[in-house]
Amino acid sequence: GAVVSQHPSWVICKSGTSVKIECRSLDFQATTMFWYRQFPKQSLMLMATSNEGSKATYEQGVEKDKFLINHASLTLSTLTVTSAHPEDSSFYICSATGTRNTGELFFGEGSRLTVL
Amino acid sequence: GNSVTQMEGPVTLSEEAFLTINCTYTATGYPSLFWYVQYPGEGLQLLLKATKADDKGSNKGFEATYRKETTSFHLEKGSVQVSDSAVYFCALSDTGGGNKLTFGTGTQLKVEL
Repeated sequence: GAVVSQHPSWVICKSGTSVKIECRSLDFQATTMFWYRQFPKQSLMLMATSNEGSKATYEQGVEKDKFLINHASLTLSTLTVTSAHPEDSSFYICSATGTRNTGELFFGEGSRLTVL
Repeated sequence: GNSVTQMEGPVTLSEEAFLTINCTYTATGYPSLFWYVQYPGEGLQLLLKATKADDKGSNKGFEATYRKETTSFHLEKGSVQVSDSAVYFCALSDTGGGNKLTFGTGTQLKVEL
């Protein structure tokens, strides 16, 4: 199946710093990417939808200035957590759909962020 | 709004046991229903799906039937293997599609010899 890769798979940072997480589609062009956040023992919560070359569409309650999403190319989307605080610690997952298939979503492995 | 409720895990079974993971949903209209599986260290993968009432999705010995009358999409397998150990997520996408999924909390399955 198609491959979506996230990097880094885990990151620890100090409070107040910014962290960037990358999501790459390795063998297809991802016209749309989704970013999710998962708390322990809870559902994946959709944070935003990004289409290549357009501004991301954020779900209600998600701070746009806190979680910056860029989808500048058909194979790369980035999520930047700005001025991170301990409450931002979570598991972030991206998924992508695009030109390769029938609209199936392909998911990255996830990135665990720990803010100290 | 849409919601998905899954049975809590972890579920521990012996190899060759019968598996049921319950999933119920709340949605307006006619959603499509999915089961995703996440093996350790990997991303979520689509396991099976059903797009309309009474459809049965099946893959790798797993089955789930879209039951509109009970708003359920329970996952079943007749004989589990150790390699089935993973986290299973039930999800739905609303009538509008667009790949926006609403997920359940996930159920961890551990299969032992």
